Amino acid sequence: DAKTTQPTSMDCAEGRAANLPCNHSTISGNEYVYWYRQIHSQGPQYIIHGLKNNETNEMASLIITEDRKSSTLILPHATLRDTAVYYCIVRRQGGSEKLVFGKGMKLTVNP
Amino acid sequence: DSGVTQTPKHLITATGQRVTLRCSPRSGDLSVYWYQQSLDQGLQFLIQYYNGEERAKGNILERFSAQQFPDLHSELNLSSLELGDSALYFCASSPGTNYNEQFFGPGTRLTVL
Repeated sequence: DAKTTQPTSMDCAEGRAANLPCNHSTISGNEYVYWYRQIHSQGPQYIIHGLKNNETNEMASLIITEDRKSSTLILPHATLRDTAVYYCIVRRQGGSEKLVFGKGMKLTVNP
Repeated sequence: DSGVTQTPKHLITATGQRVTLRCSPRSGDLSVYWYQQSLDQGLQFLIQYYNGEERAKGNILERFSAQQFPDLHSELNLSSLELGDSALYFCASSPGTNYNEQFFGPGTRLTVL
């Protein structure tokens, strides 16, 4: 599975959009970008995933660049409950079923 | 609430001891995964079971073993415990092997003294 690079941490004001970047320059054509988050030692929670088109669900939007070497997770209106460690993971859909977590990025939403 | 349950929530034991962690997957999920999260190693995949059979192995020590029972619940057995085994142990489940989302339980915090 390809490796990802994320900033160590980021701050965001409550109510504003939080844009979380991820670099995955070695991503292969059959690999998807997944985002999970972990709120204070709770079990990780799936957020969204995508291949090359932008994706949106009730939690977030995922923007993947045309060359697929980077992506941005967007939380449109961050709340204090979005404070968490966010993990960007690249893996084949369904294949190599394990999730390979990097260090992730700590997002702190401030009031 | 992900629907995955793990017991116990906390476990404190001594070096050299053996413990069993239990996981009940979401109703109908056939795949169970075990992960370890320690301060220095982060979240690491240990092992996966699918419908009772071992499917994939990660960085699982020989002192550790797991199994999945016919009712699909799973147990992770940790023996000859060392201080470095202190960690959060998460179980996750998914409906099958070719599925995007894994649903994580709340974890078991193991402290080895």
